[in-house]
Order: sequence, then structure tokens, then C-alpha cells
Amino acid sequence: GAVVSQHPSWVICKSGTSVKIECRSLDFQATTMFWYRQFPKQSLMLMATSNEGSKATYEQGVEKDKFLINHASLTLSTLTVTSAHPEDSSFYICSARLAVYNEQFFGPGTRLTVL
Amino acid sequence: GNSVTQMEGPVTLSEEAFLTINCTYTATGYPSLFWYVQYPGEGLQLLLKATKADDKGSNKGFEATYRKETTSFHLEKGSVQVSDSAVYFCALSGLTGGGNKLTFGTGTQLKVEL
Repeated sequence: GAVVSQHPSWVICKSGTSVKIECRSLDFQATTMFWYRQFPKQSLMLMATSNEGSKATYEQGVEKDKFLINHASLTLSTLTVTSAHPEDSSFYICSARLAVYNEQFFGPGTRLTVL
Repeated sequence: GNSVTQMEGPVTLSEEAFLTINCTYTATGYPSLFWYVQYPGEGLQLLLKATKADDKGSNKGFEATYRKETTSFHLEKGSVQVSDSAVYFCALSGLTGGGNKLTFGTGTQLKVEL
């Protein structure tokens, strides 16, 4: 139980295009999901907290208009990287919080490469 | 604010060696503490956790004890295997304004050789 999936697992896009990444909790409902970014050989940096039915809460320094987050249902949150540039290339990981355990379960990550 | 400091890697050990990865934290209140493992190309998996002082988390031969007096949560395993090669992240969860958030350490890469 408590499985989180991400799609796609990897994506390559041209500079200036937008990319959408999906995060799904497969066997539980999650009112709260989190989006992280991980640079090579570094830790996870929290980008934003996604709350179902309301606006996401972004961490300081994260551009809201560049990283659009939508949490339209209790099992799906999406992250859209708009007008992507090479510096946006990174590993993006989502997690979903299972309230009864107050624990986050992580997706496998999405590798984004912007050419 | 909350922060987690863990020893830098990479740590290279021979199979069956004893492992210790140090982790210390700074936090207000009473955070929960976690160790996550990340295998190459994969997301994070929870390895173990402890929610209050003196709790010991354990899983797959790994152990860590929540030491409030030293603000530490060191990861140990008595005999490592090649399959334990991965990156290990120490993390804490505490209420920080916006709700329960995880704060991660920088990760420690473990390489186990035959």
C-alpha cells in the first residue's frame, strides 16, 4: 500500500516549451502533496506544498509563475514547468502525505532535461 | 529554522563491515526523525523513523536512536551488503508554519564492495 507514481519518468524538451509532470497516489487519498527538486549529488529541496482544492504554497525563491502546481483531486497533483530553460533540468520528485500515518510517500521521480 | 547535518560521503566499506552515518539536527519543538534511502535512478524510500526521544527505529538490519540530549539520529548497521549501496538521507519533520514539512540533510553515498 501507499504507492505514489509519477509520469513521465523522464522527459527531454526544447528550451521555451512547457512540461507537465503528474503525481498520483494510487491506493490512498492525499489532501497534501509535495514537490521537490534534486540536483545531482545534492539533497532534496522542497519547492512547494500542494493542497487539494486550494492554491499551492511555494517555498521562498521558487517562482510561482514558472512552476505551476495544480491539485485538482485527492489523488492527483501536477507540476508544469513553463517556458523551460536548460537550468530547469533536474530530477523532480513528488510525495503524498498519508494523513493517518502523518508520513510522506515518495514517487520515483521525473528526470527533466531541457535542451 | 530546522536543519539537518549529516556526514559527507562517499563512504566506502567492504562487505560485512560495520556502518555508521552520523546525523545531527536543529529544530524547535519535538520533531520526528527519518532515514530515507535512494537507490540509483529511483525515488526515496523510507528506511526507518522515530517519533520521540529515545525511540529506536529499525528496518532491514539498520538502526537509529533518537537522542534528544545530543540532537542526533545516527544510522548504524552491523554488517553491510553490496545491495546496501545507495544514498542515505537523514530528515526531520516538524511543524513550521506551513504544516508538517520534511527537512533533508545533504545525503551520504554508501558504496559497499566485495
